[in-house]
Amino acid sequence: DAKTTQPTSMDCAEGRAANLPCNHSTISGNEYVYWYRQIHSQGPQYIIHGLKNNETNEMASLIITEDRKSSTLILPHATLRDTAVYYCIVRVLGRGSQGNLIFGKGTKLSVKP
Amino acid sequence: SAVISQKPSRDICQRGTSLTIQCQVDSQVTMMFWYRQQPGQSLTLIATANQGSEATYESGFVIDKFPISRPNLTFSTLTVSNMSPEDSSIYLCSVEEEPGGAFFGQGTRLTVV
Repeated sequence: DAKTTQPTSMDCAEGRAANLPCNHSTISGNEYVYWYRQIHSQGPQYIIHGLKNNETNEMASLIITEDRKSSTLILPHATLRDTAVYYCIVRVLGRGSQGNLIFGKGTKLSVKP
Repeated sequence: SAVISQKPSRDICQRGTSLTIQCQVDSQVTMMFWYRQQPGQSLTLIATANQGSEATYESGFVIDKFPISRPNLTFSTLTVSNMSPEDSSIYLCSVEEEPGGAFFGQGTRLTVV
């Protein structure tokens, strides 16, 4: 079973920030928080990951609470192309550890004009 | 990031037949992973394929039904054998890149009639 809890769906207005929450209250000290998204009819796309510090890349920002029990993925200026299912996953890092990449049901984000 | 090509992108097959899905990566990777995504569901890991050894299957998946080949460090195949309508799914291959992001092919959409 997935070790994360996400809202089933969210809406966001185009051009506004999309803030996607994720709860992972049982996360272990060596587990990272990963975010992927899956646009309809495509394979999942890696977005970002982090351990305890906030992270930012060209796609998004990841904010992890100090106790690491929850996190938020931020898409700063959502576009219609960001409409997708977003998966929050916790896993250990290391070669061969993709076996514990467990996808839950994710959050279906709908960006509206 | 790795570029992953899957063939075929989609197929419609008769029950009782088999389909072999090919996955080609543009760089050498130690491990390749095969996933299944049933209609309306999230991704489930089928097996991990290492070059030069037998694949490791997850619970609920067996080699007779999903034989996997891994002849070199850039290629793998997954065969869906003796298909039934319940095998209708999207099948995805994936590779892992340091520092831990997983990258996916576009998937093979299989319909069994």
